[in-house]
Parts: sequence; structure tokens; C-alpha cells
Amino acid sequence: NAGVTQTPKFQVLKTGQSMTLQCAQDMNHEYMSWYRQDPGMGLRLIHYSVGAGITDQGEVPNGYNVSRSTTEDFPLRLLSAAPSQTSVYFCASKRDSPYEQYFGPGTRLTVT
Amino acid sequence: GEDVEQSLFLSVREGDSSVINCTYTDSSSTYLYWYKQEPGAGLQLLTYIFSNMDMKQDQRLTVLLNKKDKHLSLRIADTQTGDSAIYFCAEKMDNQGGKLIFGQGTELSVKP
Repeated sequence: NAGVTQTPKFQVLKTGQSMTLQCAQDMNHEYMSWYRQDPGMGLRLIHYSVGAGITDQGEVPNGYNVSRSTTEDFPLRLLSAAPSQTSVYFCASKRDSPYEQYFGPGTRLTVT
Repeated sequence: GEDVEQSLFLSVREGDSSVINCTYTDSSSTYLYWYKQEPGAGLQLLTYIFSNMDMKQDQRLTVLLNKKDKHLSLRIADTQTGDSAIYFCAEKMDNQGGKLIFGQGTELSVKP
């Protein structure tokens, strides 16, 4: 199993550009989520999905869109990047019991 | 509201014990977790404790849970330089689809 994979590892965007961060898991987990990590703020939940076709907002959803057309994939879209979105983004998937989350290696995004 | 609090830094000498503390807010959380993040990497689950337990021991790790005070701690015995990392506690929000709320992370520095 590859676990949770994320691409790209690093990305630099200009303000206003759009891009999609990719996330895939091969563990057949129903629950997937996106977090952003900023210094001194821990991980904050952006969006999550409890299964294919179902998504919901987390703590900081503004400026981000998600979709879940398959169990395996959960892409995160930035429609118009802003410097405030400079962060490290982690995708995670979770099995049912004991609800252990598996994290991807992260994408470091810089918006100039 | 949802809030998981940790102190940001801890420094210990190699061979000493480390104790990382965490307070959480949701008394109905069924699982509480400790994750470890090494530099440039994603989060890895270290251990978890079910809410009906007071203590869990796993090799050099001891987790203590005080439900009355909503206080969770992680003790690392015989701390090694390889234990230097950021440690996150997290609580599972059972009334919110099982999403995890993370603390800010405690950066543990182990000096030789």
C-alpha cells in the first residue's frame, strides 16, 4: 500500500492563480480530509468528506473547493490564490476504528 | 467552543523524561490521540487512549488521561535525540462526524 499520497510536494503561485492539490489513498477509507498547518496554530481543518459524493466544510473553508467523485481521490482546489493561503497542506484519510488518521507527506505552498 | 491547548516548547536533556501536556474541551470525546511530526514530514500516530481509560503504556510512552480536568499528558521515558519533533494532541469530536481537532503542537528539543 502506498498509503496517502499528495502532489505536488512544493508549489509557488502568484496571487490570483488557481491550482489543484492532489490527494489519493489506496486503503479504501471512506473519510478523507484536508488540513492546513501554520506556525503556532496547529492543524486546521479545511474540508472533509465522509464518502464519495459527500463533502462538508471544516474550520477554514473560505477560498477552497473540494469534490469527491471516487473513494480514492480528494482534490483541493484554490480558485484564486491569496498570500494568506501560503501554508503547508496535509491530506488525511481515516479508518473506522479506532479512527486513526493517516497523513500524507504534505504540500508546501507559497503564494507571492 | 472547540479548543485544544498545548504549550509550544519543551526542552530536555537526553536520558531525562519528557512530559507534554494538553487540555481539551469536549468531555464527550471517545478517543484522544498523540501525533508526532518530524521536520519536513507529515504527522504519524504515536498512540491513542480511549476515554474510559486513565492510563495507557506503550514501551517508553505513557499516556495519562484526567477526564474530570480534561487533561491529557504524554510522558516519554529516557528521551533520545531522535525524539526531537513536534507533538500534537487531538480529540475526536463524536458529535461532528468524528473529525479531529488538533492542538497547536509542542516542539520537543532534546539536548545531548
